[in-house]
Amino acid sequence: QVQLVESGGGLVTPGGSLRLSCAASGFSFSDHYMTWIRQAPGKGLEWVSHISQSGNVIYYSDSVKGRFTISRDNAKNSLYLQMNSLRAEDTAVYYCARDQGWLQFGYWGQGTLVTVSS
Amino acid sequence: QSALTQPASVSGSPGQSITISCTGTSSDVGRYNHVSWYQQRPGKAPELMIYDVSKRPSGVSNRFSGSKSGNTASLTISGLQAEDETDYYCSSYTRSNTLVFGGGTKLTVL
Repeated sequence: QVQLVESGGGLVTPGGSLRLSCAASGFSFSDHYMTWIRQAPGKGLEWVSHISQSGNVIYYSDSVKGRFTISRDNAKNSLYLQMNSLRAEDTAVYYCARDQGWLQFGYWGQGTLVTVSS
Repeated sequence: QSALTQPASVSGSPGQSITISCTGTSSDVGRYNHVSWYQQRPGKAPELMIYDVSKRPSGVSNRFSGSKSGNTASLTISGLQAEDETDYYCSSYTRSNTLVFGGGTKLTVL
């Protein structure tokens, strides 16, 4: 069965960096766009970034552009999110999700919490 | 990238039907038939309930249905049950090749 497992979250000070990972299994990872979505505590869902199957097409939300980098390693069935210059407003649960077409997600990971605080 | 507009809360009695609206613009909801609805229970990841405006994934109850008119999409839940009480989010593909979510709606079953 399809599984997405995020890791790498934790507590980081403002201005710091963190790298999130999403390990995929149960499907052909290289056949799917993948996406990061976040949810601040008590708030709604926010699309962060998505990446094409080969990694040659990438989009970011304005709120993270220039600070976050999405990437993937199809040989390792893994998705990544490198987060630099972190701010308090980046505090959220970060989910990876498998795109089934047109940024619609039938499978989500359980999420990993990132807390940016001094 | 302005969020889609959803009512903050809706409510209904068991057995009734409710509708949650999701209003966007001609650059997202009005432009594409790629509107999705997600159900999210506290502490859990969202679950896809409707995609491509009105399609239901396998395993989702046929009490859930979706539609769209102009820049507004809607999720209707018929035969309301206590287990339906939770949060719902819409999303839409956009002209910028990005995704926008609604602010979320809390459904209360009275």
